[in-house]
Amino acid sequence: QSALTQPASVSGSPGQSITISCTGTSSDIGDFNYVSWYQQHPVKAPKLLIYDVSNRPSGVSHRFSGSKSGYTASLTISGLQAEDEADYYCSSYTTTSTVIFGGGTKLTVL
Amino acid sequence: QVQLVQSGAEVKRPGASVKVSCKASGYTFITSDITWVRQAPGHGLEWMGWISANNGNTNFAQKVQGRVTMTTDTRTNTAYMELRSLISDDTAVYYCARRSGVTWFDPWGQGTLVTVSS
Repeated sequence: QSALTQPASVSGSPGQSITISCTGTSSDIGDFNYVSWYQQHPVKAPKLLIYDVSNRPSGVSHRFSGSKSGYTASLTISGLQAEDEADYYCSSYTTTSTVIFGGGTKLTVL
Repeated sequence: QVQLVQSGAEVKRPGASVKVSCKASGYTFITSDITWVRQAPGHGLEWMGWISANNGNTNFAQKVQGRVTMTTDTRTNTAYMELRSLISDDTAVYYCARRSGVTWFDPWGQGTLVTVSS
């Protein structure tokens, strides 16, 4: 099963909003509302940002939001800050009861 | 607070096995699954599988099925992941994480670098 499709990189200036897409198929994103997003800073472990498409764990900034339409999930970061510069990964449950990750997106804050 | 602490870095020869541990604290261990995810150098995250700390049921990714064993020790609140017949492509940082929902993992351990080299 191939990885979910994410753009390799996105960029934005401080204060702006950016959106990262995550495209799957009818066997994963299209069939479940079990999409999660993770943030990973260099040489650090991933951190959960969003779960079940649009839910934020306690302690995660309201600047992070998630949504889904059809086979594509999206992560939006508003009010970009320098500390948001990191890699971002989406994941989804699949019809074979496994989990698949996206290839990752590198966010650069200009 | 919930915390997962993993064992230290390993260097293994091709064909060998490696066993990584993940000690949990801050919650009732048997109430959650532990999942394992790996990340090859410069690459993305790859889900390997999970194990129920309650009953030991497992679910593995097809790519590692047959080479991986996941176990838990409820006396010490520790999960283990053993990978056999190592090849160079198994060189990666291996993470454990608490499976807090159907597919959301939080928190994560600090990672264990496994290097496979002759």
